[in-house]
Amino acid sequence: DARVTQTPRHKVTEMGQEVTMRCQPILGHNTVFWYRQTMMQGLELLAYFRNRAPLDDSGMPKDRFSAEMPDATLATLKIQPSEPRDSAVYFCASGSNRAEQFFGPGTRLTVL
Amino acid sequence: SQQGEEDPQALSIQEGENATMNCSYKTSINNLQWYRQNSGRGLVHLILIRSNEREKHSGRLRVTLDTSKKSSSLLITASRAADTASYFCATGSGNTGKLIFGQGTTLQVKP
Repeated sequence: DARVTQTPRHKVTEMGQEVTMRCQPILGHNTVFWYRQTMMQGLELLAYFRNRAPLDDSGMPKDRFSAEMPDATLATLKIQPSEPRDSAVYFCASGSNRAEQFFGPGTRLTVL
Repeated sequence: SQQGEEDPQALSIQEGENATMNCSYKTSINNLQWYRQNSGRGLVHLILIRSNEREKHSGRLRVTLDTSKKSSSLLITASRAADTASYFCATGSGNTGKLIFGQGTTLQVKP
């Protein structure tokens, strides 16, 4: 049963700390998306990759956020330094040449 | 930025009734998709309708698309308590695979 996995599932940290979230896309999928979900803003696209190359990260605050795909089985989203307003659920999704996306379970981040 | 506006924001019905959710969008699209999100979980793809299609069915789901009005509707027939979730429309355009999601409709089905 192919699934997108994300770690950690929950993260509580203090303001100013670095946070790293990891995603393993479904094997064979060539597109990876990072989303942030909050009650106020809903689901926002932060960045996405195709064949490991970043296509668009315009939704991401550049000064503190960075997204990478070191290899085809791992995508990372880093926040440094973290701020309370970064508290949200962060989702990773992967896709193939078909249009639908497959979402992971999310990382619930709380920055105190 | 949000492409889709969903209506209603919240819907509460009795088990067995039908639920209809609407989505409007602003720009031209290649496809429109509907996703379901159970509380505390990731989104799950339900159905995709392409811009040259007008109606599509999948089990108890029926989706319509009116590109002239830039709107879509999702009908869930004979609802069940397990259908309780948030439902999101998402629009795709170009060939990037990028989707823009609406704010969602929260559906509660009472047993």
